[in-house]
This record gives sequence, C-alpha cells and structure tokens, in this order.
Amino acid sequence: QKEVEQDPGPLSVPEGAIVSLNCTYSNSAFQYFMWYRQYSRKGPELLMYTYSSGNKEDGRFTAQVDKSSKYISLFIRDSQPSDSATYLCAMTYSGGGADGLTFGKGTHLIIQP
Amino acid sequence: DSGVTQTPKHLITATGQRVTLRCSPRSGDLSVYWYQQSLDQGLQFLIQYYNGEERAKGNILERFSAQQFPDLHSELNLSSLELGDSALYFCASSSTSARGTGELFFGEGSRLTVL
Repeated sequence: QKEVEQDPGPLSVPEGAIVSLNCTYSNSAFQYFMWYRQYSRKGPELLMYTYSSGNKEDGRFTAQVDKSSKYISLFIRDSQPSDSATYLCAMTYSGGGADGLTFGKGTHLIIQP
Repeated sequence: DSGVTQTPKHLITATGQRVTLRCSPRSGDLSVYWYQQSLDQGLQFLIQYYNGEERAKGNILERFSAQQFPDLHSELNLSSLELGDSALYFCASSSTSARGTGELFFGEGSRLTVL
C-alpha cells in the first residue's frame, strides 16, 4: 500500500460546480497537509496548507483534514475554467516544513466552460 | 514566476549517456530539493541540500548524484541513462529546512527524454 493514495482522474465537471478532490494516507505520523496545484508545463505551486485536523478556507477553496479516517479533501466552489490543473496532495511528519514531503500522484481536473 | 530557474527546459539524449541539470533557487533560499515526476510514479523526492550540505536522500538511484555550490545553485547529474529515466525533473527551494509552512517553490522543470 502506498503512503498516499490519490485518484488520478481525469475529473471533468461543468463550470460553476463544486469540486471535491481527495487523498487517503496510511501513516498516522503525518501532521501537516498541503495541496499543490500544477498547471500544464509548469511546476507545482502551494495552494493550501493545514496543520492537523480541521478545516481551512481561502476564498473559493476549502481544505479539510480528518486524521481519524486518514483522509483529506480539497473543495473548490464556483469552479472556473482557470481551475483546470492537476492537484497534488502532500503531507509531512510533525516538525513540518518542506522536508520529507510525500506527494500523491495528483488528480487531473478539467472545468468545462 | 516562482523565482526558481532550471536549465535546460528540454533535453533529448541516448541511453548510456550522462546529463547535468542545473537549478538556481529563489534569492535567499538555502534549501534545494530535486524531484522526479513521471506518469506512473508521480512526484518522487530525490535529494535535498541545505546551504551546501546534503540534508536528505529519497529515492535517488546510485547513477544519479547532486551537489549544491557556494553560490547555492545546484546541479543534478544523471549518468548511464536508461529509457526509464525519461521524466520531468523539478528543482524546488524553500526558505527554511526544518520548519515552516511546507511551501516549496518549484521551477518549471527539465524534461528529459532518453532514446
């Protein structure tokens, strides 16, 4: 079993829909959870960062962590064609920082105009 | 623009050859990370340097090596190349090695094709 599992998609939804992207993980030592967005032919960029369990909201984006289920989610409200990208979850052990990040394989999201 | 510069953007070479990928981190960042991205494996951590010293090793093959120079730029050397080494190689930098928000700043990658 891989440490971090993420459905590669593609996930195609119409503009304006609510998008739910998810990752599961097996290592209970993970404490810091991130979502990176990667546009075609670009490097990933940090979108959301969450410590431990709970929700975090930033504009149209909400990150949710459920440590008891080892499950994290990213919700995108009022999705736009510009949200079309690959979304990678990432996580690391207590201590945080950029060291020891384990990435999911990424979900390719397509928002249809 | 993340501020991380990688060269070359594209590279085509033959099996058995050796290539060098170059990375300039964001101004002021002391940590440099190298990642390999392929469709089947996703983004795999290879190696990290912090202020010139090797800090952590991931799934880096013995045929691969890296270094970080006094001016903080880094090079990833790939030798005895095999078809399976074809991938996107990303360099990333961060402002702190130990703690922080987990924010890595990625370059645009070097696409390596081994024929």
